Amino acid sequence: NAGVTQTPKFQVLKTGQSMTLQCAQDMNHNSMYWYRQDPGMGLRLIYYSASEGTTDKGEVPNGYNVSRLNKREFSLRLESAAPSQTSVYFCASGIATNYGYTFGSGTRLTVV
Amino acid sequence: SQQGEEDPQALSIQEGENATMNCSYKTSINNLQWYRQNSGRGLVHLILIRSNEREKHSGRLRVTLDTSKKSSSLLITASRAADTASYFCATDGPNSGYALNFGKGTSLLVTP
Repeated sequence: NAGVTQTPKFQVLKTGQSMTLQCAQDMNHNSMYWYRQDPGMGLRLIYYSASEGTTDKGEVPNGYNVSRLNKREFSLRLESAAPSQTSVYFCASGIATNYGYTFGSGTRLTVV
Repeated sequence: SQQGEEDPQALSIQEGENATMNCSYKTSINNLQWYRQNSGRGLVHLILIRSNEREKHSGRLRVTLDTSKKSSSLLITASRAADTASYFCATDGPNSGYALNFGKGTSLLVTP
């Protein structure tokens, strides 16, 4: 089925560990996004990529890096995880001005 | 920063009743969109309304937009238990680049 696939679905990290969240879409979208969702905060944009080869910071980029590997894949890396990064992370693709975004099912990350 | 603000934060109704959620935003927009999120899942795009439109319908959904008041409403008619979810408005505009800004959401509970 066409859509956005995120891996892993769940992850527990210790403070200071690193990890990469993977995202892939098969809808041939140019634009991809990473959001985090915290209770009572809604969704906040971490990074986005308007097209292959470009990335830009969103509202809350500190502590994260991204790579737009190709048109399909957009990864999010935590170099040194902190408890404040405990959250649910969503990847999305699409064009805001047209048909909206398609979201992945999320990665629930806990940093202890 | 987050653009939209939904009201109320939580809404509880019985099946068959109508549910109305409101969204206010701060700066000019190109489009406003509504998304639904079931518990533990990703967001699903419901409807998009452009800044030059005042009302739009999709099935049991009715969205209005008042750009002079910088506000939108989502009406779900004849609610069903399956409508239980969180609902988010999202906006894009000249200042948001390619990315959507999401509000904090309205949590809707529909009881049988």
